[in-house]
Amino acid sequence: AQRVTQPEKLLSVFKGAPVELKCNYSYSGSPELFWYVQYSRQRLQLLLRHISRESIKGFTADLNKGETSFHLKKPFAQEEDSAMYYCALSEMEYGNKLVFGAGTILRVKS
Amino acid sequence: EAGVVQSPRYKIIEKKQPVAFWCNPISGHNTLYWYRQNLGQGPELLIRYENEEAVDDSQLPKDRFSAERLKGVDSTLKIQPAELGDSAVYLCASSLDRRSYEQYFGPGTRLTVT
Repeated sequence: AQRVTQPEKLLSVFKGAPVELKCNYSYSGSPELFWYVQYSRQRLQLLLRHISRESIKGFTADLNKGETSFHLKKPFAQEEDSAMYYCALSEMEYGNKLVFGAGTILRVKS
Repeated sequence: EAGVVQSPRYKIIEKKQPVAFWCNPISGHNTLYWYRQNLGQGPELLIRYENEEAVDDSQLPKDRFSAERLKGVDSTLKIQPAELGDSAVYLCASSLDRRSYEQYFGPGTRLTVT
């Protein structure tokens, strides 16, 4: 069965430090991976998807099929990056059914 | 654009009581999702609608949960009777269609069953 694992419940870094939020997945097919973010008192929203290969708010994520990972990275953390981050896998052949990880709280300290 | 609208935002009920949640998706979005998010976990899909048809309800506990999407727009999720373990945040999301990769989420309804 498909599964998404985010091993860290909380990641605390100082402003300006690099950030890496880890995500590992298990899926027998060809996955489509996403990162969703929820800022304080806001809705869950899409941050980026692996197919687009673009940088959003300075964040990037590369799909590594060999290691079945999709880690989210940013070279220099900002205080406004503090939020809950969810990695999600989509079974597009079933109409974009999302399977979410448990989430990682990113706390950027000044 | 108001985005996905959900009501109520908070609900406290006693166990064995019924409860209903309402969702209004973004205008023109054909696909609607209901998720349940338990404390400390990510959202889990309960049911997905394509227009008014429920196309994936494999995760919906059918003994006590029911949902409907009349006319393919608004949707209601009901629990009857509620149990203590149903305490969670219930999220509604919508997307343009089944092939659209981005889902737009509502603010959620936080249910507490006492």
